[in-house]
Amino acid sequence: EIVMTQSPATLSVSPGERATLSCRASQSVSSNLAWYQQKPGQAPRLLIYGASTRATGIPARFSGSGSGTEFTLTISSLQSEDFAVYYCQQYNNWPPRTFGQGTKVEIK
Amino acid sequence: EVQLVESGGGLVKPGGSLRLSCAASGFTFSSYSMNWVRQAPGKGLEWVSSISSSSSYIYYADSVKGRFTISRDNAKNSLYLQMNSLRAEDTAVYYCARDPKARTTTPYYFDYWGQGTLVTVSS
Repeated sequence: EIVMTQSPATLSVSPGERATLSCRASQSVSSNLAWYQQKPGQAPRLLIYGASTRATGIPARFSGSGSGTEFTLTISSLQSEDFAVYYCQQYNNWPPRTFGQGTKVEIK
Repeated sequence: EVQLVESGGGLVKPGGSLRLSCAASGFTFSSYSMNWVRQAPGKGLEWVSSISSSSSYIYYADSVKGRFTISRDNAKNSLYLQMNSLRAEDTAVYYCARDPKARTTTPYYFDYWGQGTLVTVSS
């Protein structure tokens, strides 16, 4: 099973600032990585797939990069609606498809 | 518009059973693999089970193998999860989620999610 590790666990950022979230896989997942955003009481929402492709309707301030074992989600200028928990998920080796433990982006 | 609506959650005693349902609309249900993903209170996401479009390929997480059964009825645009021998650690919100690519058995990410149904296992 591939273990996904996200860092940091919590990221405190001021509105308008840049946020950089990391996700590391225990072995290569190529570019088969997705990012999700989850707000309290809501279902996760797909942000990025294929490590760097934005899902439909996702603003350009969200970008993904990386391949192999190291991945990054960048939010270029945080808006109030971006404060949430973010999860990465690999779909290269399955079953199981595995998620990271999440990074909470909170208001500084 | 793609919609996934889960139902069937509730309070059940350890060792008990529960059947979750997911009603799908807004897409050709019979063409897509479907999944259950759960989230324990205050915790992260855990993939539970997947079923291919024609039910030919079924997968389970080790944590539920032998206790849970996934199924689907393409005529009713519905996905199901039969949960038996429930344990306290099965307490979670259970989400129904769709694979993004039609007519393939290769698992990918999850492009649409329902709002979830809460299962609580407690005496």
